[in-house]
Amino acid sequence: NAGVTQTPKFQVLKTGQSMTLQCAQDMNHNSMYWYRQDPGMGLRLIYYSASEGTTDKGEVPNGYNVSRLNKREFSLRLESAAPSQTSVYFCASSRGPRTEAFFGQGTRLTVV
Amino acid sequence: AQSVTQLDSHVSVSEGTPVLLRCNYSSSYSPSLFWYVQHPNKGLQLLLKYTSAATLVKGINGFEAEFKKSETSFHLTKPSAHMSDAAEYFCVATYNNNDMRFGAGTRLTVKP
Repeated sequence: NAGVTQTPKFQVLKTGQSMTLQCAQDMNHNSMYWYRQDPGMGLRLIYYSASEGTTDKGEVPNGYNVSRLNKREFSLRLESAAPSQTSVYFCASSRGPRTEAFFGQGTRLTVV
Repeated sequence: AQSVTQLDSHVSVSEGTPVLLRCNYSSSYSPSLFWYVQHPNKGLQLLLKYTSAATLVKGINGFEAEFKKSETSFHLTKPSAHMSDAAEYFCVATYNNNDMRFGAGTRLTVKP
C-alpha cells in the first residue's frame, strides 16, 4: 500500500542545473499537488492538477513547470535551479475538491 | 486571495494540560478545513477534517476542532497533552477549485 511516492528523497544541484522531481500515487485520485516547505512559512502551493490533462498555478509557480503525465503521475521540473529553490518539496494527492490530501515523504533539495 | 492564519507560531504546554492551537481563515464562502500534523523529518498526517457537517469535529489521538463561521475560526484543542504530541501542526483550507492553502504552522512543545 504505497500511497504517494516521491523520488528522489535527497538531491543536491548546482545553480543553473535542471532536474525533475517525480511523484506517483496508487489511490486513483483525481487531484495532485506540489508544495514547497520552508521554515516559518508552512507549505506553499506551487502547482496543482485537478484532473488528468489540467494544471494550474498556485502561490509560488515562478521557476517551476509541471506535467500531469497520466492519472497516476505528476512531475515537477526546475529548468534552471537557483539557491532560492533550496527547500523540502512535497507531492500530495486527493480524490478531488474539499477532500483530504495524502502526502509523500518529501524531497530535500539543496541548490548550491 | 484566500488565506489561512495560524495565530501562534509556537505553543508550549506541560504534559497533562490542555492544548489550544488557533486558526483563522479568510474566504467569501465556507471552505473545507483540515488539521495536519508533521513530526520531525516526517511527512504529514491528517488529524481531522471539517466538510460542512457537524461543527465540532473529532479526530485522532484525542484532538478535536470547532468550526465557527461567525468568527471564521477552526481552532484545534486537546484536553490533555502527551509528550508524543510534540510536533508541527498545520491548518489547511480548501475550496471548490482544488486550491489547498496551508497556514504557516504552529510548533507544539510539550514539557514533562
